[in-house]
Amino acid sequence: DTEVTQTPKHLVMGMTNKKSLKCEQHMGHRAMYWYKQKAKKPPELMFVYSYEKLSINESVPSRFSPECPNSSLLNLHLHALQPEDSALYLCASSQVSGPLAGNTIYFGEGSWLTVV
Amino acid sequence: KNQVEQSPQSLIILEGKNCTLQCNYTVSPFSNLRWYKQDTGRGPVSLTIMTFSENTKSNGRYTATLDADTKQSSLHITASQLSDSASYICVVWDYGQNFVFGPGTRLSVLP
Repeated sequence: DTEVTQTPKHLVMGMTNKKSLKCEQHMGHRAMYWYKQKAKKPPELMFVYSYEKLSINESVPSRFSPECPNSSLLNLHLHALQPEDSALYLCASSQVSGPLAGNTIYFGEGSWLTVV
Repeated sequence: KNQVEQSPQSLIILEGKNCTLQCNYTVSPFSNLRWYKQDTGRGPVSLTIMTFSENTKSNGRYTATLDADTKQSSLHITASQLSDSASYICVVWDYGQNFVFGPGTRLSVLP
């Protein structure tokens, strides 16, 4: 069972809507991630938060806005999305985002986003 | 450039048969390698983790091997079941800031 919880599991939104995806973990991990995954492709990294600070932004359009309110929560705010943004959005966490021999990434179940 | 390659891209087998999936990586430095199973529309679930000093690790019907010299790993599935139909993703941690993902192998188990 995953210990990373994502809500909602499914979201349909119009191109003018504002919505948010939420993610929560209680494993004490200090690194949290957002990935975007299209069908039959591996996950693509969007953002990395390390100790609640944004450390990596993989040139993601500003219509995606991440937020890390505390060490357990990660949000992804969505505004003015395009139909091509429809995908599975995965939240993940790991112990840290820096050097650690046993570092492992744990994924949530994902949020299916459809932009109409 | 750090890369992870997987083969085959897709595989179809009959229920009850065995199969082996391959993962080759050029990630350096190498810390660990994990195999994940991802059912369609769901998040990846970890099957096994291999560190530099480990050669073989089993998790039920799944057995992973690692050859750190040739930078190759394999995932062997024994006595396949219909529920094994999924994508299998190899992910390598480079001991820095990057989890490097392979493209995955799509396995279909037919009755």
